[in-house]
Amino acid sequence: AQKVTQAQTEISVVEKEDVTLDCVYETRDTTYYLFWYKQPPSGELVFLIRRNSFDEQNEISGRYSWNFQKSTSSFNFTITASQVVDSAVYFCALSEADRTYKYIFGTGTRLKVLA
Amino acid sequence: EAGVTQFPSHSVIEKGQTVTLRCDPISGHDNLYWYRRVMGKEIKFLLHFVKESKQDESGMPNNRFLAERTGGTYSTLKVQPAELEDSGVYFCASSLGQGTDTYGYTFGSGTRLTVV
Repeated sequence: AQKVTQAQTEISVVEKEDVTLDCVYETRDTTYYLFWYKQPPSGELVFLIRRNSFDEQNEISGRYSWNFQKSTSSFNFTITASQVVDSAVYFCALSEADRTYKYIFGTGTRLKVLA
Repeated sequence: EAGVTQFPSHSVIEKGQTVTLRCDPISGHDNLYWYRRVMGKEIKFLLHFVKESKQDESGMPNNRFLAERTGGTYSTLKVQPAELEDSGVYFCASSLGQGTDTYGYTFGSGTRLTVV
């Protein structure tokens, strides 16, 4: 069965701290895609990154970085030097090769960055 | 480029009433999706349109939910009659491709539905 687990319901950090959001997934497919989305207070889901199962390279984009480890079925997201504007709910999602259009989301992690 | 637009942003209705949610996708996006998040749980897939055709409606909870996409443009999701457990945030998304796009789907801000 496919499943995405975001065990951290809510995290609070002080501005400039680093924070890692955890994502663990389950799938029987060998070809799949992983995503992170950000939901700011305005409500829309903003795409952050897409990773396919054959690409385990870590990725860095500014203050954001992602660590994909197939051995532990994890796709963790780190924000370096957090800022108040990073406060949002972050969702991890999985889609499988036979139905790439169907995302399986985790329950989300609410990040609060305090000034 | 305008994003995905959803109307209304909030709706409060009584149990047994009918509600219609609307989604305007990005112009030119053939693929349109509906998702729902119920009370702090995960966001769940409801259905997928390719143009005006339903590609997959396996996530629709029951026959009280009816989705349409007129002429392959905007889509509506009707709930009739609404029940308390239908409360949640309904998201619409659109895309050119089907999930393998490098830039993912574009989601709207959602419609928060409260059934009382």
